[in-house]
Amino acid sequence: DGGITQSPKYLFRKEGQNVTLSCEQNLNHDAMYWYRQDPGQGLRLIYYSQIVNDFQKGDIAEGYSVSREKKESFPLTVTSAQKNPTAFYLCASSIRGDGGEKLFFGSGTQLSVL
Amino acid sequence: AQTVTQSQPEMSVQEAETVTLSCTYDTSESDYYLFWYKQPPSRQMILVIRQEAYKQQNATENRFSVNFQKAAKSFSLKISDSQLGDAAMYFCAYRSALAGANSKLTFGKGITLSVRP
Repeated sequence: DGGITQSPKYLFRKEGQNVTLSCEQNLNHDAMYWYRQDPGQGLRLIYYSQIVNDFQKGDIAEGYSVSREKKESFPLTVTSAQKNPTAFYLCASSIRGDGGEKLFFGSGTQLSVL
Repeated sequence: AQTVTQSQPEMSVQEAETVTLSCTYDTSESDYYLFWYKQPPSRQMILVIRQEAYKQQNATENRFSVNFQKAAKSFSLKISDSQLGDAAMYFCAYRSALAGANSKLTFGKGITLSVRP
């Protein structure tokens, strides 16, 4: 079945530690996105990529980094510079990354700080 | 910058009744897309309905329909014959249709809908 796979489902970070959230899609979509969801805040865009080896900052990119070495994969690293990382992280993809096209979402990763 | 406002944090509806969820947005653009996404307790985001701003006709998808008022910048979602499975958080979202615009989908803060049996 085609879709987006996020792993792990739950992740714990220690102080000063970098952690990486995985996002893989087999939909052959060009565009991929990372969103952060906090209670009462809705979804906020962290990074997005419309093509391999290219990505753009979203509204809250500070303390995060990404890579897009393969079309299928768009991992997100939460660095130690992100002082408030506890949140629910959603990865999404779409065919081209424009207009009225639908976003397909993964099932999310809940990140918590120990 | 575009903003999306969902002013009601929570709503409740009796099963089989109709409920309307409100959304307003602010933009200087004339061409754009509007969306309603549903997030049930599983936290999986699901597209409910989509509206193109250049279309005057309101979009409908089975029990879900929108009331799109472009001049008022209002985009409400009506759920008819509410079912227990409609209980979820609903997000309104905006995306520019400008060529070359970034891929940003701007979300509102969401509204939690509960359905009473």
